[in-house]
Amino acid sequence: EVQLVESGGGLGQPGRSLRLSCAASGFTLEDYAMHWVRQAPGKGLEWVSGVSWNSDRIDYADSVKGRFTISRDNAKNSLYLQMNSLRTEDTALYYCAKDRHKWNYKGYFDSWGQGTLVTVSS
Amino acid sequence: DIQMTQSPSSLSASVGDRVTITCQASQDISNYLNWYQQKPGKAPKLLIYDASNLDTGVPSRFSGSGSGTDFTFTISSLQPEDIATYYCQHHNNLPPWTFGQGTKVEIK
Repeated sequence: EVQLVESGGGLGQPGRSLRLSCAASGFTLEDYAMHWVRQAPGKGLEWVSGVSWNSDRIDYADSVKGRFTISRDNAKNSLYLQMNSLRTEDTALYYCAKDRHKWNYKGYFDSWGQGTLVTVSS
Repeated sequence: DIQMTQSPSSLSASVGDRVTITCQASQDISNYLNWYQQKPGKAPKLLIYDASNLDTGVPSRFSGSGSGTDFTFTISSLQPEDIATYYCQHHNNLPPWTFGQGTKVEIK
């Protein structure tokens, strides 16, 4: 069974940094593209960043470009999101999500974690 | 960036009713359209991919259709466990892969 468990959320001050982690199990992480999707309180879903299975393709939403960095460590079965220069509008529940098809980078989010809450406030 | 417009934003229907949600893309996305269900306090779940294909284990009362810019999601017979917010999402070509604003489905 696929399991994705996010951690690292919490209270961050504007301008400071947080690092999110996603521990993957039940599948071979290195075969799949992975993504971060966020949801502000009471709002809809926003794709934040994605990394292809072999890391040769990395993309970001304009809202986080230049501030967030996605990375993966397949040996540790983990996905990360380094969040720098935090803004109050980054406050959201952050989900990691797995792409549906092996070796593709297609934006089908077929498995999701339960999310980790990031609150940016002074 | 491609914009996705869903309607309605909310609806109320009776158990057994047929429920339809529409999603319009700001440009042609072929059939690169997914539908997700998000129950309160839970993570989203992929229901339909590529406009009309049910993901594994999804009940057959859910269906999707459309191509180009106009898409439809249907629940043929609404059940109490279908109470959720439903989102469309395009995955045309390259990111950003945007979601519709969501449709909240409630029982009348």
